Amino acid sequence: SQQGEEDPQALSIQEGENATMNCSYKTSINNLQWYRQNSGRGLVHLILIRSNEREKHSGRLRVTLDTSKKSSSLLITASRAADTASYFCATDAGAGANSKLTFGKGITLSVRP
Amino acid sequence: DGGITQSPKYLFRKEGQNVTLSCEQNLNHDAMYWYRQDPGQGLRLIYYSQIVNDFQKGDIAEGYSVSREKKESFPLTVTSAQKNPTAFYLCASRGGTRGVYEQFFGPGTRLTVL
Repeated sequence: SQQGEEDPQALSIQEGENATMNCSYKTSINNLQWYRQNSGRGLVHLILIRSNEREKHSGRLRVTLDTSKKSSSLLITASRAADTASYFCATDAGAGANSKLTFGKGITLSVRP
Repeated sequence: DGGITQSPKYLFRKEGQNVTLSCEQNLNHDAMYWYRQDPGQGLRLIYYSQIVNDFQKGDIAEGYSVSREKKESFPLTVTSAQKNPTAFYLCASRGGTRGVYEQFFGPGTRLTVL
């Protein structure tokens, strides 16, 4: 079952603009993670936010988490053509040895030069 | 270099054949995972293993089998019982400070049934 649902499914922006992607989930989580996938490649971890955190930054990335609304957003500022990829949110609802991630279907981001 | 390797990158299979996808990691991670990705879809968990000689079924385990005889290796066999095996297969491993983990992914194997 896929817990994370990303929104929008596809996003096309001009280079230099900001890109905002949203993720909603259904059950309580320990942490939420965002991953990036270039076409035909494996996923790369971008950022992790724990359930007791509300906002986190990493370079041009800013992620927020609202556990009351069960939602997260990923903001990429000053986008570049190289940011073109699919982005996935993944929720971690377990604990310890049985912990595993549940991925959403992803958002396709296109950044036009 | 530390990382996860998957082989082969492309694999073609005739209907009725079993095939095995390789996944090796030198990150010293305890946990390893296999996912299936179909076009325009997210990742669906096939099997995962938290420790050597132990593994659990994920959401879509039917038609697949795994083994975990070594910490570094987690091969996936796609059996003839899997009715629609054409997909992109991703292996991942996980480790880190207790209770908080990120997953590291291999480059994937694209399986096509002819």
